[in-house]
Amino acid sequence: QKEVEQNSGPLSVPEGAIASLNCTYSDRGSQSFFWYRQYSGKSPELIMFIYSNGDKEDGRFTAQLNKASQYVSLLIRDSQPSDSATYLCAVKGSGGTSYGKLTFGQGTILTVHP
Amino acid sequence: GAGVSQSPSNKVTEKGKDVELRCDPISGHTALYWYRQSLGQGLEFLIYFQGNSAPDKSGLPSDRFSAERTGGSVSTLTIQRTQQEDSAVYLCASVTPGTQYFGPGTRLLVL
Repeated sequence: QKEVEQNSGPLSVPEGAIASLNCTYSDRGSQSFFWYRQYSGKSPELIMFIYSNGDKEDGRFTAQLNKASQYVSLLIRDSQPSDSATYLCAVKGSGGTSYGKLTFGQGTILTVHP
Repeated sequence: GAGVSQSPSNKVTEKGKDVELRCDPISGHTALYWYRQSLGQGLEFLIYFQGNSAPDKSGLPSDRFSAERTGGSVSTLTIQRTQQEDSAVYLCASVTPGTQYFGPGTRLLVL
């Protein structure tokens, strides 16, 4: 089992719709969760991070965390073609040799079509 | 302020040669990661430096790979006797709690 799993997609949504990106993780003790966006040929850029169960909203983006289910998601409201990119989920390890280390999922390709 | 910088931006080398990749993190950031990303693939963790602690080298793929971080700042990733499968983008990330920035990467091509 991979430590951080994402559906590779591609996920295609129409402009204006809600895009839902999902991520599961195996380390139950993980405390910090991050979403990155990566445009083709560019480096990842941090969109949001979340530490607590529940929702965290920032503009059109909402991160949702459920530690009991070991599940984190990213919702993008009013999707725009400029949101088309690969979205990477990352989890920070909880202890031992994993402490502080970020583990990334393989990423989900999102395409927003006009 | 200045972001994370990496050099060189592109490197073409011949199989068997050694290469050094450099990362200049953001001043004051406590942690630094090296990753590599092959075409169309996710990020592969290589090594992690946190303050003065011993680095987590668990991601280094072979003993041809090594990295150091001098004075808690600049880091160098060295690949000895490069192989064609080492071709990838090597990314450095500069980290402080809650804030993480990636550098632009070094695109390495081993012929």
